[in-house]
Amino acid sequence: TQLLEQSPQFLSIQEGENLTVYCNSSSVFSSLQWYRQEPGEGPVLLVTVVTGGEVKKLKRLTFQFGDARKDSSLHITAAQTGDTGLYLCAGRSNDYKLSFGAGTTVTVRA
Amino acid sequence: DAGVTQSPTHLIKTRGQQVTLRCSPISGHKSVSWYQQVLGQGPQFIFQYYEKEERGRGNFPDRFSARQFPNYSSELNVNALLLGDSALYLCASSFFGSWLDTEAFFGQGTRLTVV
Repeated sequence: TQLLEQSPQFLSIQEGENLTVYCNSSSVFSSLQWYRQEPGEGPVLLVTVVTGGEVKKLKRLTFQFGDARKDSSLHITAAQTGDTGLYLCAGRSNDYKLSFGAGTTVTVRA
Repeated sequence: DAGVTQSPTHLIKTRGQQVTLRCSPISGHKSVSWYQQVLGQGPQFIFQYYEKEERGRGNFPDRFSARQFPNYSSELNVNALLLGDSALYLCASSFFGSWLDTEAFFGQGTRLTVV
């Protein structure tokens, strides 16, 4: 059972379209991280959000952390084929470990 | 600077055998965590070590064990391998290994196949 629920599980869009991935939990996190993972590789850290209500932008990617620090979203504007991958959210509560969602598989078609 | 390195990258073992996976953290990081990722799922926490001591253990059987060395590198051992142990094993490196960390960096993983 995943502590963090991600939706949707799969997403297939055309290049140039926008997409949003959601990460929800009933638990409060001290920080939440987003990773992108390619097949057979380890997850690569995209961003960490720490403050409730925080919004971070990395080029075409926008990350939001919910006010209550229980949920987050990732929005990609004008998706490119290079954005294809498995997007994972991971929360760290007041202990030592990261708890991961099951991930959202994003496919951007040319 | 070198990132997190894991070895080997791929491994094929027979049921009942034992396996040792290795991880070297980022220089300066004192904490190593191990995760198991089966196909279609997110990584599941196995162990965390900080300053050579086990700080936490996930819901895995006693067949799984780990240790951390004085240079902060780590080994994960799995005994009596089962088919269900086939997965990508990931090592994560961080400085504090606690809620104080805002970043954890992963290695490329070891793909273990049990036949």
